[in-house]
Amino acid sequence: GQNIDQPTEMTATEGAIVQINCTYQTSGFNGLFWYQQHAGEAPTFLSYNVLDGLEEKGRFSSFLSRSKGYSYLLLKELQMKDSASYLCAPSGGSYIPTFGRGTSLIVHP
Amino acid sequence: DTGVSQDPRHKITKRGQNVTFRCDPISEHNRLYWYRQTLGQGPEFLTYFQNEAQLEKSRLLSDRFSAERPKGSFSTLEIQRTEQGDSAMYLCASSHLVGAVGEAFFGQGTRLTVV
Repeated sequence: GQNIDQPTEMTATEGAIVQINCTYQTSGFNGLFWYQQHAGEAPTFLSYNVLDGLEEKGRFSSFLSRSKGYSYLLLKELQMKDSASYLCAPSGGSYIPTFGRGTSLIVHP
Repeated sequence: DTGVSQDPRHKITKRGQNVTFRCDPISEHNRLYWYRQTLGQGPEFLTYFQNEAQLEKSRLLSDRFSAERPKGSFSTLEIQRTEQGDSAMYLCASSHLVGAVGEAFFGQGTRLTVV
């Protein structure tokens, strides 16, 4: 089964750094996706972690600890356009992304 | 190829009617997923295909929901005898699964309103 927990909402200031945490309990876990979704739009892929550790991709980084069932998404140098929902999606035995309810990030000036 | 395409973008139907949505995946992708999303929630997995085989359908919300992917290309999702609770965004995604890696690319979705 799946149990995914992430904060419902976070706020941050433009130019700052924010960390969005996600804990999960996933049968047959094999990797974890992060997606970004702007209001009224489709989710877009940000990152995929299979091994423990930090994956950096520009202003966005994602961390995974398989033993702890824990991941975070780190956003640096926040911009107003980063205001969106961020979806944590662990995948299990069939490599199907299963989504949490998402964290709504509000970036203010 | 311009990505995953869904049709229609919006559908308003009366309760009790049947509706069918179409998804055209990215052409070289071997996997196709259907999700449902309601306001304030993340996408909820419904079913998926590996090529033309439907490998998981136990998550379909009821026996009123069915999906097909003839010839492993486009897919359709049908909802029979629609109910007001079916009102949601229906998202299709595709991926090319190689080993354990294959991020899903989403279409823009079909927004269903049942009145």
